Amino acid sequence: GAVVSQHPSWVICKSGTSVKIECRSLDFQATTMFWYRQFPKQSLMLMATSNEGSKATYEQGVEKDKFLINHASLTLSTLTVTSAHPEDSSFYICSASGVRNQPQHFGDGTRLSIL
Amino acid sequence: GENVEQHPSTLSVQEGDSAVIKCTYSDSASNYFPWYKQELGKRPQLIIDIRSNVGEKKDQRIAVTLNKTAKHFSLHITETQPEDSAVYFCAASGQGTASKLTFGTGTRLQVTL
Repeated sequence: GAVVSQHPSWVICKSGTSVKIECRSLDFQATTMFWYRQFPKQSLMLMATSNEGSKATYEQGVEKDKFLINHASLTLSTLTVTSAHPEDSSFYICSASGVRNQPQHFGDGTRLSIL
Repeated sequence: GENVEQHPSTLSVQEGDSAVIKCTYSDSASNYFPWYKQELGKRPQLIIDIRSNVGEKKDQRIAVTLNKTAKHFSLHITETQPEDSAVYFCAASGQGTASKLTFGTGTRLQVTL
């Protein structure tokens, strides 16, 4: 089945640091990738949708200058949390979609802890 | 935009009993409704999905029903087992499987012995 790899799985860093999270589709071409954020005991909230070769579409309330998304190829999207602060601590999950009418495939998530 | 409500937030059943989780959506244009199971610290796993041209779908102990007129859909788990214990999320999508998903608030299911 389709596999989406997300790296790193866990990050702990100091406040003010920028953190990059990678999302790769290993065995299919992902024309669209989605980035979600999940706070403890809450649901998944979509942050942005990225299409290969074009600018990401951000959901209302998500700061595009703080959460930089790059979808440079059909197998890789990156999310960079710039100048991270403790309130950015969360579980970040990507998903990827390739062939039409096939379900999205989720990565394993990245737990980000900002001290 | 789409809004998905999910009930109940917690559900405790005895092993072997059935569990039902209900969701309602607001956007009549939504046409794809997946259900996910998420264990602590793990990614959501698709357990079943249904499209708007189908009223019911079943996969072994799991079934989903969809009422387009009322804009609600439900997950039914029969013969529950302890390993069914997890958080379950419903979701809705407006343009098929490749579009963004709006998730419900989640149901924590606990199956007791």
